[in-house]
Amino acid sequence: GEDVEQSLFLSVREGDSSVINCTYTDSSSTYLYWYKQEPGAGLQLLTYIFSNMDMKQDQRLTVLLNKKDKHLSLRIADTQTGDSAIYFCAERSGNTGKLIFGQGTTLQVKP
Amino acid sequence: NAGVTQTPKFRILKIGQSMTLQCTQDMNHNYMYWYRQDPGMGLKLIYYSVGAGITDKGEVPNGYNVSRSTTEDFPLRLELAAPSQTSVYFCASSGQTSGIYTDTQYFGPGTRLTVL
Repeated sequence: GEDVEQSLFLSVREGDSSVINCTYTDSSSTYLYWYKQEPGAGLQLLTYIFSNMDMKQDQRLTVLLNKKDKHLSLRIADTQTGDSAIYFCAERSGNTGKLIFGQGTTLQVKP
Repeated sequence: NAGVTQTPKFRILKIGQSMTLQCTQDMNHNYMYWYRQDPGMGLKLIYYSVGAGITDKGEVPNGYNVSRSTTEDFPLRLELAAPSQTSVYFCASSGQTSGIYTDTQYFGPGTRLTVL
């Protein structure tokens, strides 16, 4: 079945780059998303990439998609303490249109 | 636009009690969704709706019911609360924004439910 996997925790120092990785199984996924969840809050869409793209850049965020390996990554340049949050990868199922979420990666940014 | 709003923010229920979680969106979106988020886990889809009068089950529908009588509202009903339903519940919507269909799901702030 459809599955999305992420590492659970990443710790970086302020000013460094962060790279959060995600793998998925549904090769018919059309869109892949990155959501950010701050403590006690809902999910906020950060960015998304269409499946026919390899890369998308949006200010400090870079999304890389390797369709062959079904691997998605989110790079945050110049990571700030305000970037501390849980980051969820999600794929839009090609068959049903529903979102399948990973478990979330907790990003800790140390000053 | 307020986006997606949910009430209540927090609730404690006793086993066997019932309650309705409210969700409203003011973006005129056709699609609406209910998810639950358990600690350390991603979101699991409970129910979804593709338009008023149409609902369908997601991954984990047991113990819940929904209705969609209007485009704006998508309430989630728990009939006989169980400790396994202790979770954070998120409502989301997607559809056309400014005339463009985007697929992007917009989330509410969540309802934290504890069943004791």
